Amino acid sequence: GENVEQHPSTLSVQEGDSAVIKCTYSDSASNYFPWYKQELGKRPQLIIDIRSNVGEKKDQRIAVTLNKTAKHFSLHITETQPEDSAVYFCAASKANQGGKLIFGQGTELSVKP
Amino acid sequence: DVKVTQSSRYLVKRTGEKVFLECVQDMDHENMFWYRQDPGLGLRLIYFSYDVKMKEKGDIPEGYSVSREKKERFSLILESASTNQTSMYLCASRPGEGTQYFGPGTRLLVL
Repeated sequence: GENVEQHPSTLSVQEGDSAVIKCTYSDSASNYFPWYKQELGKRPQLIIDIRSNVGEKKDQRIAVTLNKTAKHFSLHITETQPEDSAVYFCAASKANQGGKLIFGQGTELSVKP
Repeated sequence: DVKVTQSSRYLVKRTGEKVFLECVQDMDHENMFWYRQDPGLGLRLIYFSYDVKMKEKGDIPEGYSVSREKKERFSLILESASTNQTSMYLCASRPGEGTQYFGPGTRLLVL
């Protein structure tokens, strides 16, 4: 069935360093790829998303890249700050599926001051 | 501003009780979802609905049912609660293929 694999499961970086989280998806018909950030005790919130007609999207310190051929997409966070510490989830969806998102397992990012 | 609300933040129930978790969204979204979140297991989809009175099983529907009588409201029902259903339950809604928004979550403890 459809699957999204996310790596790594945990990531620890020093403040100011970059962090990269990678996801691969199995269904080549997937066309929408959001990233969610979940801080401790809070709900997941969308931080950036990309659609299949675009290869890269950037919003200040965060960027997402998409390689449709290889069926993988990545989240890049530059100049990390302690407030970036959270669990990050990638997801994928395709048309005509009731809007269902297939989520990765999550990455716990820790930014050490 | 999109708002997805859940009826309770914390709930304590006894084994065998029937439990209702309610979710309401105020943005006329077609799609609504129920997930459970457990440490190390990510977000697992229980059921979803793409229209009033329509429902589809997710990855872990066993032990749960749902109801969607009105577009804005999606209910998750535990017919006979068991201890292995102790979890965080997250509701979400999504307009077509747009952004999905999550509710604040209900932490359910079954004793």
